[in-house]
Amino acid sequence: TQLLEQSPQFLSIQEGENLTVYCNSSSVFSSLQWYRQEPGEGPVLLVTVVTGGEVKKLKRLTFQFGDARKDSSLHITAAQPGDTGLYLCAGGSDYKLSFGAGTTVTVRA
Amino acid sequence: NAGVTQTPKFRILKIGQSMTLQCTQDMNHNYMYWYRQDPGMGLKLIYYSVGAGITDKGEVPNGYNVSRSTTEDFPLRLELAAPSQTSVYFCASSYGRVMSTGELFFGEGSRLTVL
Repeated sequence: TQLLEQSPQFLSIQEGENLTVYCNSSSVFSSLQWYRQEPGEGPVLLVTVVTGGEVKKLKRLTFQFGDARKDSSLHITAAQPGDTGLYLCAGGSDYKLSFGAGTTVTVRA
Repeated sequence: NAGVTQTPKFRILKIGQSMTLQCTQDMNHNYMYWYRQDPGMGLKLIYYSVGAGITDKGEVPNGYNVSRSTTEDFPLRLELAAPSQTSVYFCASSYGRVMSTGELFFGEGSRLTVL
């Protein structure tokens, strides 16, 4: 099992502030995915990063895949209450996707 | 399309009881998965299936069984429930190999408590 470590575990910020969530591993991944999960629901895919050094932007969310393909980050600019949720990174083989423990983000209005 | 549907949403079991968590998908996906989610622990893979009639163990299969008789259905059986199986269970599916085709689709989860 490939271990994915996410930090921080919890993050609480004021609306309008920026935040960054990190996902690290000692293993090399062919690609990494980020999911967001809201209370009482299943995770929903935000993005897949494939190439080392890749940067993808999704409106106010910026995802980066490390050059060595062992780490990734998620940056949210000008966070809004609607960004509140559990952010999970995931990676692994084609059949067995491993998840990090997640970062719980709370954006206060 | 309903996507991935799980039943029941909530269940309380006594130690030693058995039950089946149902999962069905209407997207004609070949790949299906069962995960459990515990606070602060992320999602752990229990079992997965790459097609009807084919199943394999994930990270934490002990105490569980699965079957895949059709493409649509992937039930998870708990035999002799134990307090350690208290968790939220998620069923998921994907069209093909998830890291190649891009996405796991999750159900809404089944919250199980064993007392």
